[in-house]
Amino acid sequence: QKEVEQNSGPLSVPEGAIASLNCTYSDRGSQSFFWYRQYSGKSPELIMSIYSNGDKEDGRFTAQLNKASQYVSLLIRDSQPSDSATYLCAVIRASQGGSEKLVFGKGMKLTVNP
Amino acid sequence: DAGITQSPRHKVTETGTPVTLRCHQTENHRYMYWYRQDPGHGLRLIHYSYGVKDTDKGEVSDGYSVSRSKTEDFLLTLESATSSQTSVYFCAISDQGTYGYTFGSGTRLTVV
Repeated sequence: QKEVEQNSGPLSVPEGAIASLNCTYSDRGSQSFFWYRQYSGKSPELIMSIYSNGDKEDGRFTAQLNKASQYVSLLIRDSQPSDSATYLCAVIRASQGGSEKLVFGKGMKLTVNP
Repeated sequence: DAGITQSPRHKVTETGTPVTLRCHQTENHRYMYWYRQDPGHGLRLIHYSYGVKDTDKGEVSDGYSVSRSKTEDFLLTLESATSSQTSVYFCAISDQGTYGYTFGSGTRLTVV
């Protein structure tokens, strides 16, 4: 099982719809979870972080975490064409010596159609 | 990105030659990382540093070495470049290691 898994997609939604992106992880000890957005040809940009079970909202973005089921999701409300990008789920994995490392899923490409 | 600079932005090199990529930060962050990004594989960690002269391997470290002699600079060296190392390389920095990382703009490396 991959450490961090995302559906490969792509996902296409109409403008104004809700886009739902999902991610599962294998390490039950993980405590920190992130969503990055990456436009084509650009570097990943952190858009959401979540550390405890439940929902965390920031504008049109909501991150959801369920540690018992080991999944993280990202909801984008009122999707806009400018949201078209690849979304990367990432999880902090603790390692020997306490040097945590960020492990990424392969990403999900989202297209929002006008 | 502000505070983190990668150089060069693009490079074409021949198989068998050594190549060094540079990551420079002005944020005084303790942690620095090198990732490569390839279609179908996503972002994979090559090496990372948790302090000056303190480095460790990531999941795809074969054929790569790193050095960090100053807080602000983290160098990635391909000892003898191969075509399989054609990729986009990203440097990232983090203050505490457990929070989200900030990425540089990337280096597109082509090995011919």
